[in-house]
Amino acid sequence: ETGVTQSPTHLIKTRGQQVTLRCSSQSGHNTVSWYQQALGQGPQFIFQYYREEENGRGNFPPRFSGLQFPNYSSELNVNALELDDSALYLCASSLASGTDTQYFGPGTRLTVL
Amino acid sequence: GENVEQHPSTLSVQEGDSAVIKCTYSDSASNYFPWYKQELGKGPQLIIDIRSNVGEKKDQRIAVTLNKTAKHFSLHITETQPEDSAVYFCAASRYNTDKLIFGTGTRLQVFP
Repeated sequence: ETGVTQSPTHLIKTRGQQVTLRCSSQSGHNTVSWYQQALGQGPQFIFQYYREEENGRGNFPPRFSGLQFPNYSSELNVNALELDDSALYLCASSLASGTDTQYFGPGTRLTVL
Repeated sequence: GENVEQHPSTLSVQEGDSAVIKCTYSDSASNYFPWYKQELGKGPQLIIDIRSNVGEKKDQRIAVTLNKTAKHFSLHITETQPEDSAVYFCAASRYNTDKLIFGTGTRLQVFP
């Protein structure tokens, strides 16, 4: 059983640029959630994808968008990057309707200069 | 809005002592309460969880208690070891695959 993987590990961008982060869910999981974790804070829910559809969204602007693919992997896209977007971006996978919990990947550290 | 408060923000204990971290949640519809351990440079790792139909759950040195009336839940670590040193987060959600509302974290340091 493979765990949740994310790429890239680290990323440096400048303000105004766009970024795409990737997540491969744990084997057998069909739901992916994305979280933003600022330094010294708890993770904040961005959105969740289930069967390629957005299934809930947190308090993040529309420039944060996502995709889920037929193999349940997912992308997080952020447009018009701002300095405050610097954070650790985490994805978590789970099995909808299952009794199991959400398992997190190692995260992508994004730095916006 | 939905909120989870976590205390203390830092906790230092001697190896072998117990550590207790407390959380309070605001959403009455919350039914699932996981605890995650996050080591430096890694993603959160689930260490224990509890559902609202259970008041206490134990797994070796780790236990969690839930008081749904008071909207409180706590993590208890007994016989702490240096490798328990990490940041611990509590979270709450309506069900196990729903969005998690996290606390602000507790940095636990266990001194040998």
